[in-house]
Amino acid sequence: EVQLVESGGGLVQPGGSLRLSCAASGFTFSSYSMNWVRQAPGKGLEWVSYISTGSGTIYYADSVKGRFTISRDNAKNSLYLQMTSLRAEDTAVYYCARAASSTSSYNWFDPWGQGTLVTVSS
Amino acid sequence: EIVMTQSPATLSVSPGERATLSCRASQSVSSNLAWYQQKPGQAPRLIIYGASTRATGIPARFSGSGSGTEFTLTISSLQSEDFAVYYCQQYKNWPPWTFGQGTKVEIK
Repeated sequence: EVQLVESGGGLVQPGGSLRLSCAASGFTFSSYSMNWVRQAPGKGLEWVSYISTGSGTIYYADSVKGRFTISRDNAKNSLYLQMTSLRAEDTAVYYCARAASSTSSYNWFDPWGQGTLVTVSS
Repeated sequence: EIVMTQSPATLSVSPGERATLSCRASQSVSSNLAWYQQKPGQAPRLIIYGASTRATGIPARFSGSGSGTEFTLTISSLQSEDFAVYYCQQYKNWPPWTFGQGTKVEIK
């Protein structure tokens, strides 16, 4: 069974840092690009960051550029999101989501993890 | 950036009735359009990709149509488990991958 399990969320003060992890299983992790998507409470979905299979291509949403760093460890089947200079508006459930296809450049997201909640508040 | 606009924001439908959800892209995305279903407290689940292809395990009452800038998700006969929020997403021009703001399908 393909599975993604996020961890690392929690309460952090404004200006603080947090590192999210996503453990992948049930598929060849190194063959798929990965994404982080977030959802603020009661709001819609916002793509946050993308990383290619070998980490050679990385993208960020403008809202997090310069503050968040995506990375992966293919040997550990894990995806990470290092978040620094956190703001109240970063409060959200953060999902890791796999690219649906390992061969196409045009990729929807499937599957998604269950999410981890990040709350930025003093 | 391609802006995705969904309508209506909320759709009130009785069980057994048809639901029609719309999604519009600010520029052509060809057929690079996906639909997701999200229930409270759960992660989004893929329903449709390629504008009209049902994902694995998705019942035939779900159908997608459209191309270019206008797309529709139809649920032919709503079941209790279909009441949820539905999001469309374009994956033609990226980054960023962009989502619509969602349509909530509620019980009438």
